[in-house]
Amino acid sequence: ETGVTQSPTHLIKTRGQQVTLRCSSQSGHNTVSWYQQALGQGPQFIFQYYREEENGRGNFPPRFSGLQFPNYSSELNVNALELDDSALYLCASSLEGAFNSPLHFGNGTRLTVT
Amino acid sequence: AQTVTQSQPEMSVQEAETVTLSCTYDTSESDYYLFWYKQPPSRQMILVIRQEAYKQQNATENRFSVNFQKAAKSFSLKISDSQLGDAAMYFCACHNNAGNMLTFGGGTRLMVKP
Repeated sequence: ETGVTQSPTHLIKTRGQQVTLRCSSQSGHNTVSWYQQALGQGPQFIFQYYREEENGRGNFPPRFSGLQFPNYSSELNVNALELDDSALYLCASSLEGAFNSPLHFGNGTRLTVT
Repeated sequence: AQTVTQSQPEMSVQEAETVTLSCTYDTSESDYYLFWYKQPPSRQMILVIRQEAYKQQNATENRFSVNFQKAAKSFSLKISDSQLGDAAMYFCACHNNAGNMLTFGGGTRLMVKP
């Protein structure tokens, strides 16, 4: 069973730039969720993708966008980066339709915006 | 909106002793799940234990057990026979089907003393 993998591990960007983070879901999972975890805080829900469409969104501006591909992998795109976007970005996969399907997380991408 | 509160930023326990981490939550949903996740320095969120709100019996997973008090909206985690490998950040989280998302608390850092 292949777990959730995220790339890159670390990333440094400049304010105003754009970034793309990638996530491969665990085998057998068809839903991907993205979370932002600021230093010293709990993760905050960004959005979820199911069947290549956004299926729920947290309190994040439109410059946070995503994609899900037919193989269930996903991308998180952030435009016009701000210093406060510096955080650990966690991807999690699960099986939609199974309410009791727990999330399986990747190791995250550490984004630093300077 | 859901909220999850962890009132203990840090906890310390002697190896082989027992420690309890506190969590309170608030949700308007009648159908929800509660989780405890562990986040070691590797950054990956690892599921420790979960509780279905409609089940009165407290969940148990080996050395980990919960005290679920639905009326008080309390969900504490008890770790018995603490081991050095238990040292990590612990996050309490609430999930309901309507929101498609996990709401996390701010975390408790657990230190285990040899």
